[in-house]
Amino acid sequence: DVKVTQSSRYLVKRTGEKVFLECVQDMDHENMFWYRQDPGLGLRLIYFSYDVKMKEKGDIPEGYSVSREKKERFSLILESASTNQTSMYLCASSFLPSTNEKLFFGSGTQLSVL
Amino acid sequence: AQTVTQSQPEMSVQEAETVTLSCTYDTSESDYYLFWYKQPPSRQMILVIRQEAYKQQNATENRFSVNFQKAAKSFSLKISDSQLGDAAMYFCAYRSYYTNTGNQFYFGTGTSLTVIP
Repeated sequence: DVKVTQSSRYLVKRTGEKVFLECVQDMDHENMFWYRQDPGLGLRLIYFSYDVKMKEKGDIPEGYSVSREKKERFSLILESASTNQTSMYLCASSFLPSTNEKLFFGSGTQLSVL
Repeated sequence: AQTVTQSQPEMSVQEAETVTLSCTYDTSESDYYLFWYKQPPSRQMILVIRQEAYKQQNATENRFSVNFQKAAKSFSLKISDSQLGDAAMYFCAYRSYYTNTGNQFYFGTGTSLTVIP
């Protein structure tokens, strides 16, 4: 069965820490995405990648960076975590060729920055 | 950028009844895809139904159907014979047909559906 796996379900970090959120997909998808989900704001795109070592900024990239060294893995990095980055983070992936292809999501990482 | 609006933050429905969730969107494109995703308490987002804008016929998937009004830019989801397992957050989403405009999905703010036994 198709799988997008996020390394942590819950994470608690301190302000100023460097935080890595990992996402792995086993479907050989070209596209991978990081979203942030906040109540009343829905899902907002942070970054996406359509190929290894390729990345594009989404709507809210400030304070975040990403890494895609291998096709199956897409990492979200908070260089210096701040309390306003407390949120649910969702990773997703999809095939590139088919434009109507649906997104496959991970189960999310609830990050709390204290 | 495209915008997707869900004007109902919360909805409730009696078990076995029918409920309609609203979604409107703003775009200048003529070809695109629309989706409804469900996020239950497990947090795993699941695709409920999708619609291609060039198709006039409304999509249906078992108890789920849509009312797609392209001119009005409206895309509502109807859930018939509601079940307890339908309780979830529902997100409406838009995707451009053209990949060179970005691989982005645009999501609404979500509607939280409660099913009353």
